[in-house]
Amino acid sequence: NAGVTQTPKFQVLKTGQSMTLQCAQDMNHNSMYWYRQDPGMGLRLIYYSASEGTTDKGEVPNGYNVSRLNKREFSLRLESAAPSQTSVYFCASSEKVTGGYSPLHFGNGTRLTVT
Amino acid sequence: QKEVEQNSGPLSVPEGAIASLNCTYSDRVSQSFFWYRQYSGKSPELIMSIYSNGDKEDGRFTAQLNKASQYVSLLIRDSQPSDSATYLCAVRGDDYKLSFGAGTTVTVRA
Repeated sequence: NAGVTQTPKFQVLKTGQSMTLQCAQDMNHNSMYWYRQDPGMGLRLIYYSASEGTTDKGEVPNGYNVSRLNKREFSLRLESAAPSQTSVYFCASSEKVTGGYSPLHFGNGTRLTVT
Repeated sequence: QKEVEQNSGPLSVPEGAIASLNCTYSDRVSQSFFWYRQYSGKSPELIMSIYSNGDKEDGRFTAQLNKASQYVSLLIRDSQPSDSATYLCAVRGDDYKLSFGAGTTVTVRA
């Protein structure tokens, strides 16, 4: 019962480096999300994908790109990392159910530090 | 963008007491409401969902929703040290996106 799996768990980057955060879910959910969490600011939506083949910007998309590779996988890419992107990143998924959408199921998070 | 506000913490309660957490939201079309618990260094986990006005009880947790006042609350009865965590209020409108409050940190004193 893996649920939502994120890799890596920890990452340290230097300013200007690039990297891709990986996320995969095995619950056959259509919708997937990337959030970042900073102290005192709660979870803020970066990008989301309502279904395979579609992606949309969330609240804080600048500096990020995403790819919905297939129904299972949704990756987040930082092309040129900045110290302001130091954060904890959570991937999540949900499914449309009768009357709305299911609650989000979260991965374990990626702790990213940009120096 | 749906704004979600939670009462600022931290909230410290003695073991066995009731912890009361409040959340207000700005979007009147909001339809689904959730409370997540997040232990330090861990991911959020769902503890309650509520969709209709009134109270919903699940064990020691009670969620209360008042759509007219745009208010949702969470009561934790008989608080235990294991309840020490940050509690996140989340609100969903008529789409699939969830907006979160900043969270309230609860500490239960033994």
